[in-house]
Amino acid sequence: SQQGEEDPQALSIQEGENATMNCSYKTSINNLQWYRQNSGRGLVHLILIRSNEREKHSGRLRVTLDTSKKSSSLLITASRAADTASYFCATGGGNKLTFGTGTQLKVEL
Amino acid sequence: GAGVSQSPRYKVAKRGQDVALRCDPISGHVSLFWYQQALGQGPEFLTYFQNEAQLDKSGLPSDRFFAERPEGSVSTLKIQRTQQEDSAVYLCASSLVRSGANTGELFFGEGSRLTVL
Repeated sequence: SQQGEEDPQALSIQEGENATMNCSYKTSINNLQWYRQNSGRGLVHLILIRSNEREKHSGRLRVTLDTSKKSSSLLITASRAADTASYFCATGGGNKLTFGTGTQLKVEL
Repeated sequence: GAGVSQSPRYKVAKRGQDVALRCDPISGHVSLFWYQQALGQGPEFLTYFQNEAQLDKSGLPSDRFFAERPEGSVSTLKIQRTQQEDSAVYLCASSLVRSGANTGELFFGEGSRLTVL
């Protein structure tokens, strides 16, 4: 079963705009990770935020975590066409990562 | 190799056939995971190995699914008597760290797309 749920399910923006995706999860976590998946490819790790962190940056990515609301957001600034992909949050705890349902991002020229 | 390698990339099987999917993780990675991804969905956990030990197989959907990693490196996911609902992409991932309280970053292969006719 999916632990997380991303919102929106699909997002279409123009190149240069910012994209924000949200993730809600159900149980307590040790960390939360974001992954990107290009069509027909495997998942690529983007960023990990620990449960005691509130915000983390990596290049054009900004991730926030609110454990009281069991939610996280991923912000991609100054989007590019190459950012077109599906984005998944994944919660870590126990032996595995549990993935959400994903947000399909389309960045148009 | 530099990354996680999976084979075959595409497999078409007739209903009732057995299939075997191979995963070659990054050298030295202790943890190995198998996930199943249906079209338009997120990956669903199947099973986890720490070296050669299968520590968690709670996600395997039926006893037709079997996974092994006999020498702690290459892993094989076997599906017996395939059914149409087994059609999915099967993703393998490896991690340098032992999974547990802090599941680390996973490195994924490109996946094996199984179509059962």
